[in-house]
Amino acid sequence: DAKTTQPPSMDCAEGRAANLPCNHSTISGNEYVYWYRQIHSQGPQYIIHGLKNNETNEMASLIITEDRKSSTLILPHATLRDTAVYYCIVRGNRDDKIIFGKGTRLHILP
Amino acid sequence: EPEVTQTPSHQVTQMGQEVILRCVPISNHLYFYWYRQILGQKVEFLVSFYNNEISEKSEIFDDQFSVERPDGSNFTLKIRSTKLEDSAMYFCASSVTGGNNEQFFGPGTRLTVL
Repeated sequence: DAKTTQPPSMDCAEGRAANLPCNHSTISGNEYVYWYRQIHSQGPQYIIHGLKNNETNEMASLIITEDRKSSTLILPHATLRDTAVYYCIVRGNRDDKIIFGKGTRLHILP
Repeated sequence: EPEVTQTPSHQVTQMGQEVILRCVPISNHLYFYWYRQILGQKVEFLVSFYNNEISEKSEIFDDQFSVERPDGSNFTLKIRSTKLEDSAMYFCASSVTGGNNEQFFGPGTRLTVL
């Protein structure tokens, strides 16, 4: 089973920052937080991952709390093309497989 | 940018028939995976493959399923005798290394079993 809890859906206005929360209160010291998204029946797409420190790339920022029990994915300027299901995933450093939960369905509103 | 490709995009078959789903992983990747997603449900791990052998498989991946890397580029998933409940999107993925690493997913093959 997925080790994370996410809201089932969220709305965000186009052009605004989308902040997607994730709880992973049972995360252990060697487990990373990954984010993927799936745009309508396409293959999942990697977004970002982190261990302890906040991370930023060209797609998003990942903010991990100091106790690592929760994190937030930030899409700084959401566009309609960001409408997708966003998955927060916890993976150990030896875990090959990805265990997907139900994710958060993000609707970007024009 | 290199990407994982899958063929066909849609496969329709009769129950009991064999199907082979094909994937071309990214060329310098060494680890390969199959996942499936039944309509409206979660993406589920099926199998991981490295160095020409299965490294891990899920309970879903029973004796009806097999994987193969027949040459240096293709990675295939065979379902020996399809059942109605095998209808799903099947996604191939690959990664440079195993363990904690980014997996790149293909666009999927939609399998419909009639």
